[in-house]
Amino acid sequence: DAKTTQPTSMDCAEGRAANLPCNHSTISGNEYVYWYRQIHSQGPQYIIHGLKNNETNEMASLIITEDRKSSTLILPHATLRDTAVYYCIVRRSGSARQLTFGSGTQLTVLP
Amino acid sequence: EAGVAQSPRYKIIEKRQSVAFWCNPISGHATLYWYQQILGQGPKLLIQFQNNGVVDDSQLPKDRFSAERLKGVDSTLKIQPAKLEDSAVYLCASSPSGVAGGPQETQYFGPGTRLLVL
Repeated sequence: DAKTTQPTSMDCAEGRAANLPCNHSTISGNEYVYWYRQIHSQGPQYIIHGLKNNETNEMASLIITEDRKSSTLILPHATLRDTAVYYCIVRRSGSARQLTFGSGTQLTVLP
Repeated sequence: EAGVAQSPRYKIIEKRQSVAFWCNPISGHATLYWYQQILGQGPKLLIQFQNNGVVDDSQLPKDRFSAERLKGVDSTLKIQPAKLEDSAVYLCASSPSGVAGGPQETQYFGPGTRLLVL
């Protein structure tokens, strides 16, 4: 699975959009981009995933560049409860493959 | 739908003692994972089961760690004897194991067991 690079930490004002970048320059054609987050003292939580097209669900939007070498997770209206470590994971297709976590980005939403 | 259950939530032991963690995955999920998360790091896979068979245990320290998933449902992870460096959070996750990239591949995590070895 391709390696990802994320900033160590980011701050965001409550109510504003949080844009979390991820570089995955060695991604291959059959690898998906997944985002999970981990709130303090909890297990990781799935947010969203995508292959080529931009994706949106009730939690977030995922924007993948045309060359697929980077992506951005967008939390449209960040709240204090969104403070967490956000993990960008690239994962080859195929059922039930493990998740390879990096160090993630610590997002702190400020009041 | 009930989530992944783990127990105990916290455990403190002395080095060289043994300890066991229990996981009950989401009903119907075929795949079960155990991850170890050391403070300040992302989770790292220890072992993966598909039903009651082991799919990947390449990162499991087999001299001290063991895991089983009897009847393809609940699972137990054991450490014997424990070392100081085993202090970590042990996370259990499950997934339905379906079509590549579909929602079936999403992993659902339990709250974890926090182990402190003194």
